[in-house]
Amino acid sequence: GAVVSQHPSWVICKSGTSVKIECRSLDFQATTMFWYRQFPKQSLMLMATSNEGSKATYEQGVEKDKFLINHASLTLSTLTVTSAHPEDSSFYICSAETYRDRSTEAFFGQGTRLTVV
Amino acid sequence: QKEVEQNSGPLSVPEGAIASLNCTYSDRGSQSFFWYRQYSGKSPELIMFIYSNGDKEDGRFTAQLNKASQYVSLLIRDSQPSDSATYLCAVTAPSNDMRFGAGTRLTVKP
Repeated sequence: GAVVSQHPSWVICKSGTSVKIECRSLDFQATTMFWYRQFPKQSLMLMATSNEGSKATYEQGVEKDKFLINHASLTLSTLTVTSAHPEDSSFYICSAETYRDRSTEAFFGQGTRLTVV
Repeated sequence: QKEVEQNSGPLSVPEGAIASLNCTYSDRGSQSFFWYRQYSGKSPELIMFIYSNGDKEDGRFTAQLNKASQYVSLLIRDSQPSDSATYLCAVTAPSNDMRFGAGTRLTVKP
């Protein structure tokens, strides 16, 4: 199956610093990547949709200046949490889409546990 | 109305029984339907996808899709304790955005 690699798997940072999370599709090209966050015992919440070479589309309520998304190539998207605060502590997951077998499939990265102290 | 709805559970079944997970969606234009399994603290993993009406079987898992009624279900036969997880239903709308249900927590008791 398709592999999506997300790095780092966990990170602890100080309040006010920025953290970058990478999402790579290893064996396929993904024109669209998605970034989610998940709070404990809740479902995934879509933050933004990222298309290669264009600006990301953010969901309502998600601050685009705080969560910077860059999708520079067909295999790499990054999410930068700027000036992180404790309330940004969460599980962040990326997914990359590919079209095959007459269907769009999304494959998920391993997730990144961000803890802001 | 939520776009994708699932019973939050928890759903508890004894080992060896059939677990039935249900999901309804609101957008009639939805095209692809997915079931993900998520263990606590882990990223979701794809179990099955289906896009045609009817049943699709893969090992102990069967996905069922009824577009007229706008529901999709997942059956797990011979449930095992290792199947205990949260199962997420996801739907791809015509816009290609994937929308998730809230997930159903399944517990399989030995």
